[in-house]
This record gives sequence, C-alpha cells and structure tokens, in this order.
Amino acid sequence: GESVGLHLPTLSVQEGDNSIINCAYSNSASDYFIWYKQESGKGPQFIIDIRSNMDKRQGQRVTVLLNKTVKHLSLQIAATQPGDSAVYFCAENQDNQGGKLIFGQGTELSVKP
Amino acid sequence: DGGITQSPKYLFRKEGQNVTLSCEQNLNHDAMYWYRQDPGQGLRLIYYSQIVNDFQKGDIAEGYSVSREKKESFPLTVTSAQKNPTAFYLCASSILQDEKLFFGSGTQLSVL
Repeated sequence: GESVGLHLPTLSVQEGDNSIINCAYSNSASDYFIWYKQESGKGPQFIIDIRSNMDKRQGQRVTVLLNKTVKHLSLQIAATQPGDSAVYFCAENQDNQGGKLIFGQGTELSVKP
Repeated sequence: DGGITQSPKYLFRKEGQNVTLSCEQNLNHDAMYWYRQDPGQGLRLIYYSQIVNDFQKGDIAEGYSVSREKKESFPLTVTSAQKNPTAFYLCASSILQDEKLFFGSGTQLSVL
C-alpha cells in the first residue's frame, strides 16, 4: 500500500483563517516531500517542497513543516481565500530517483466566504 | 498546466477497444510520466520514461502501453486488457533526476 497518507480527508475553514493540512509518511528514508494543489478537473499544481535536511520552508502565504521524529508533514496556508479551495496532495520521494513520487490520497479544502 | 498539453480532455472507450491519450511538452524535459487518478485516491504511476526510446513500468502498468519516439511526446495507450479503465489520467514531466513534476490538465477516460 501507499506509505503517504492524510489524517483528514476534508477540511472546511472560514475565509481569512489559517488552514493546516496534515500528512503522515511511513518511510524514514524518504528525503524529499512536495505539496500539490489540484482544482476540480485540472492537473496538480506545485505549491512548495522541502528536503529532509530542513524542518521548515516558507513560500508566499504557505509554510511546510517537516517533523522527522514522528514522520509528519504539514502545509499551512495563511489567510485562506476562496481561491484556495481545492484538493491538496502530499507526496514523497522514497528512492532518490527523480520524479517517482508516492502520493497520498489528498485532502479537500473548502473555504467558506 | 505549464508547457504540457494533454488531449483529448474527455475520451470514451467501447469494450474491446484500444484508445490512445496524447501528451506533448515543450519544456525540454527529459523525463515524462503517466499517472492514473481514481476518485478519492492519490496518483498511481503507470509508466515513465527518462530518455527517448526507453521507458519503464510503474506500479500499475498492466493493460497499458507507451512509446517515446520523440522527447516532446509520450502517448499512452489503454488497451482492451485494462478491465477498469475509467479514471482521470495525468501526464507529467520533469528535469532528469529532479523530483518536481509538472502536470498536464488531464484526460478523463470513461467506458461506454
């Protein structure tokens, strides 16, 4: 089975609030993690990535946190907007070979105006 | 969608029929990939190619075939051997040995 999974399949937040999407992974040897956003009927779009030698990485309104001790990854979205409504996937690269990512099942984020 | 074009957006397959999904990229990427996405599930790797005229099976290659005659193109054929072909198919590309994938907009395949 897949080694990457999400704690919550759906998340509903109020516009302007911060969102936190969680992801668990099982392979302690994974050295690269990535988050994608997928809107309905479209392909996934890259959001942010992080390597295992880092604990935190920030982008524009997004932060990824990596806790290697408990094998947990999270995506934080600040000041969530209606346009953030989508399914968010985490993925890991287990074997140091480019592009062969293992994807989680996804979390659907719904932003209420 | 970047520079990856998938066509058609919707495709219908009759029983016993082979169908081919197109994927073209103008990003000059060496590596290309095909993923299958079922409702409520993550993406699963079907085939990938890191160089022209070479490709490898992914986790769910049975019932599918690919070719890589040109760097820009990586078509996927869903054969009649694939008994459950209804899914959303995603093509992706990347710089060789880079983990970050760039995805196309997908093709929804349904069975008539």
